[in-house]
Amino acid sequence: KQEVTQIPAALSVPEGENLVLNCSFTDSAIYNLQWFRQDPGKGLTSLLLIQSSQREQTSGRLNASLDKSSGRSTLYIAASQPGDSATYLCAVFMNRDDKIIFGKGTRLHILP
Amino acid sequence: EAQVTQNPRYLITVTGKKLTVTCSQNMNHEYMSWYRQDPGLGLRQIYYSMNVEVTDKGDVPEGYKVSRKEKRNFPLILESPSPNQTSLYFCASSRTPYTEAFFGQGTRLTVV
Repeated sequence: KQEVTQIPAALSVPEGENLVLNCSFTDSAIYNLQWFRQDPGKGLTSLLLIQSSQREQTSGRLNASLDKSSGRSTLYIAASQPGDSATYLCAVFMNRDDKIIFGKGTRLHILP
Repeated sequence: EAQVTQNPRYLITVTGKKLTVTCSQNMNHEYMSWYRQDPGLGLRQIYYSMNVEVTDKGDVPEGYKVSRKEKRNFPLILESPSPNQTSLYFCASSRTPYTEAFFGQGTRLTVV
């Protein structure tokens, strides 16, 4: 059964720093991986989607990488800002049964 | 504006009283799904639908029903709610299962 793990569960960094969030998965038979952002009391917003055949995707200050064979993805945030404070979740879409499995998220706090 | 709309946003009900949470999307998406989010457990998929009249169980379908009579609507039905179904529920849609997902704002359900 697919398990998606995000480490660390929580992270606090000073404004301006570059940071990396990690996501690992146990079953490499994925179709794609998405990174989401969730603000308190709100729904999820898709940040980046990486297909299994891709190595990385970039959007503004965000860069997501995927190493399917080793079951890992990272979300790199450059020049962090207080507005980046949120919970970041990764999710994998499984080939065999069309299900989506989420990690439990990393709660990020950017200190002004 | 492209969006996924859930109603109600907040609901308190009593054990055993049937309820329906509605979900509607205006993007002509084929894939729709329901999730529940619980502290320490993260987001878990309840049901999903690949297209009209096609629905399948996710990881935690027990105690829930869904229907997909029209492409835009995907209601979640709790025939006999129990306190362990107290949770934050999200509906999501995407053009296909393999593309960016859009989430509703969530429904906070309390069953007493």
